[in-house]
Amino acid sequence: SQQGEEDPQALSIQEGENATMNCSYKTSINNLQWYRQNSGRGLVHLILIRSNEREKHSGRLRVTLDTSKKSSSLLITASRAADTASYFCATGTQGGSEKLVFGKGMKLTVNP
Amino acid sequence: NAGVTQTPKFQVLKTGQSMTLQCAQDMNHEYMSWYRQDPGMGLRLIHYSVGAGITDQGEVPNGYNVSRSTTEDFPLRLLSAAPSQTSVYFCASSLNRLSYNEQFFGPGTRLTVL
Repeated sequence: SQQGEEDPQALSIQEGENATMNCSYKTSINNLQWYRQNSGRGLVHLILIRSNEREKHSGRLRVTLDTSKKSSSLLITASRAADTASYFCATGTQGGSEKLVFGKGMKLTVNP
Repeated sequence: NAGVTQTPKFQVLKTGQSMTLQCAQDMNHEYMSWYRQDPGMGLRLIHYSVGAGITDQGEVPNGYNVSRSTTEDFPLRLLSAAPSQTSVYFCASSLNRLSYNEQFFGPGTRLTVL
């Protein structure tokens, strides 16, 4: 069953603007990952943040994690048309039945 | 490295037919999994394997079988195709079963069942 839920479900911005996507989840996690999916392609890993981390950066990506609110946000700065894609958060649990559970995804459109 | 490869890319089946979706990885990954992606549903885990000879069910296993005779290959078999199995299927692999490992995805197989 879905654990993470992305918000908004769709976002349309102009090139150069920042894009913020949020993910909320329900149960305790040991890590949260963000993936990107270009149309007609498989998912590509973007960034991982562990439960004991609050913020992480990778190039134009910034991800935050608030375990008390069970939420994460992904910020893409200075967006480009090539950032147009669907974005998924995935939450990882710990223990004997470790799985990565994906949210339903959200669609980002960056207009040139 | 080719990464994760899937064949075929597209497939049309009639109700009741069976077929096998192929998945292979050349990264020596222990963990492999199959997902289906449907509009508005995100990715749902069908079956997964933590190593050769070991498989387990995911969230939506009914109507599908898997086997893992080698580290590299993880085929997904549809026993008797139904229209509800129309979907895009993705195979993924990661280093091992720990959930904090990055998953590598194949390009997908788009399946239509008439």
